[in-house]
Amino acid sequence: DAGITQSPRHKVTETGTPVTLRCHQTENHRYMYWYRQDPGHGLRLIHYSYGVKDTDKGEVSDGYSVSRSKTEDFLLTLESATSSQTSVYFCAISGRRQGGNEQFFGPGTRLTVL
Amino acid sequence: AQSVTQPDIHITVSEGASLELRCNYSYGATPYLFWYVQSPGQGLQLLLKYFSGDTLVQGIKGFEAEFKRSQSSFNLRKPSVHWSDAAEYFCAVGLTGNQFYFGTGTSLTVIP
Repeated sequence: DAGITQSPRHKVTETGTPVTLRCHQTENHRYMYWYRQDPGHGLRLIHYSYGVKDTDKGEVSDGYSVSRSKTEDFLLTLESATSSQTSVYFCAISGRRQGGNEQFFGPGTRLTVL
Repeated sequence: AQSVTQPDIHITVSEGASLELRCNYSYGATPYLFWYVQSPGQGLQLLLKYFSGDTLVQGIKGFEAEFKRSQSSFNLRKPSVHWSDAAEYFCAVGLTGNQFYFGTGTSLTVIP
């Protein structure tokens, strides 16, 4: 398995509070991604990174921000959590461009916003 | 609209029976194609991938998939299902550039 960890694995928070999720990789892969998984929607891309300090939006980026200050770490921040952001969040990594190579996934973070 | 379709939300098969999970995509060019499996509470694991060449690709755990350009399909198959194959299966499409899309998944139940 690819060396990808996510923290925390579970989190319960209240509406309006900030939340940061961390993804850490030991594979030295260039590309990193954040997805959310919801029933009936599969996985939807939130943000991705193509290098240190280089990030871009995915299809469901509203309400989320990301940062990547080191190759190995990719942070996802919910500035003010809402109940609609209750979901399971997955980090993924890839060695090459998004379309042209497979992605490897972390174990996920289950976030509940009350 | 561009999309990845998995028409079967849920499938139930008997252990030892054959399996086919359907996946269709609607993109102009031939994309990169993937199948992932997700066990409960786990992340996604890559089963197999198609980039080019032979349209029948072999994956892990005895799975295979066939790319049919004329049907825009990439169906996943296994000749004999094991109880441990019960999971959710996702088809995914990777396009050139920074685009990667998942289907909504098919949940597989295996009965003894």
